[in-house]
Amino acid sequence: EIVMTQSPATLSVSPGERATLSCRASQSVRSNLAWYHQKPGQAPRLLIYGASTRATGIPARFSGSGSGTEFTLTISSLQPEDFGVYYCQQYNNWPPLTFGGGTKVEI
Amino acid sequence: EVQLVESGGGLVQPGRSLRLSCAASGFTFDDYAMHWVRQAPGKGLEWVSGISWNSGSIGYADSVKGRFTISRDNAQNSLYLQMNSLRREDTAVYYCAKDTVANWGSKMDYWGQGILVTVSS
Repeated sequence: EIVMTQSPATLSVSPGERATLSCRASQSVRSNLAWYHQKPGQAPRLLIYGASTRATGIPARFSGSGSGTEFTLTISSLQPEDFGVYYCQQYNNWPPLTFGGGTKVEI
Repeated sequence: EVQLVESGGGLVQPGRSLRLSCAASGFTFDDYAMHWVRQAPGKGLEWVSGISWNSGSIGYADSVKGRFTISRDNAQNSLYLQMNSLRREDTAVYYCAKDTVANWGSKMDYWGQGILVTVSS
């Protein structure tokens, strides 16, 4: 099973600032990595897939990078609606599909 | 508009069974794989099970293998999760999620609102 590790666990950012979230895989997942955003009481929403491709309707302030075992999600200018928890997920080696433990972004 | 609506959750005693359903609409259901993902209270996301478009390929997390069974009815645009021998650690919100490909094992682009399953005596 591929273990996904996210850091930091919590990130405190002010509106307008840049946020950088990290995700590390226990072995290479190539570019088969997705990022999700979840607000309290809501279902997760797909943000990024293929490590760097924005999903439909996702604003350009969200960008993903990396390949192999190291990945980064960057929010260029944080908006109030961006608070919540961000999860990475690998889909290179399955079963199982595996998620990281999440990074909570506090505004 | 894609919609996934879960039902069948609730309070159940340890060792008992429960069947979750997910009604899908707004897309061609039998073109895509589907998944169940759960989230224990205050915890992160855990993939539970996935099924390909034609039920030919199915996978389970080790934590539920042998106890849970995923299935789908393409004629009814529905996904199911039969949960047997439930344990307290199965308490979670269960999400139905749509894959982006026909054979499961990719990212999930649409999710239901989730249904709470509580296992307690």
